[in-house]
Amino acid sequence: KAGVTQTPRYLIKTRGQQVTLSCSPISGHRSVSWYQQTPGQGLQFLFEYFSETQRNKGNFPGRFSGRQFSNSRSEMNVSTLELGDSALYLCASSLVGLNEQYFGPGTRLTVT
Amino acid sequence: DAKTTQPTSMDCAEGRAANLPCNHSTISGNEYVYWYRQIHSQGPQYIIHGLKNNETNEMASLIITEDRKSSTLILPHATLRDTAVYYCIALSNFGNEKLTFGTGTRLTIIP
Repeated sequence: KAGVTQTPRYLIKTRGQQVTLSCSPISGHRSVSWYQQTPGQGLQFLFEYFSETQRNKGNFPGRFSGRQFSNSRSEMNVSTLELGDSALYLCASSLVGLNEQYFGPGTRLTVT
Repeated sequence: DAKTTQPTSMDCAEGRAANLPCNHSTISGNEYVYWYRQIHSQGPQYIIHGLKNNETNEMASLIITEDRKSSTLILPHATLRDTAVYYCIALSNFGNEKLTFGTGTRLTIIP
């Protein structure tokens, strides 16, 4: 069974731009969560989607948004990029009702 | 979610058992103990979880004390590939909980 895939793997953007990251969950997994990892703040939860609905949200500004499609694939968007948004963005999927989350390799975003 | 406390770092000799402790003295009755690890530059990897009974799978064993205030993750025969940051997380098992990662334990396997 294929694992969680994320695209792109690396991205360089300029301050003020926006970016969209994509995540394809493991087949059959309907819950998708997003996390941000930085050296200073560690791993932080962004949001979680199930059946195209956001069920849970972390403490991030509204510039961070996401969505989930009917096939469970998910995208997250960051608008008006800031230098501090430089991070590894991780996507994880899980079966409904379980906390065993399976992570993708991440997208490393660099904002210059 | 209950707060967990882990040592910042540990070393273990290759081939020996690595025992990683976690303190979760405020854990509530419906909270499970989950363990994840993150190998450098990769996404976190689920290892094991348990409620009150000891658990074992192909990767590790989880020993939870009778009062559930602490637990130990055991990697029975550590290899160099087990070098990673290990996270202990306490949360309920209702399925819509966000994983809250602390600073974890950086385990280094020494050849």
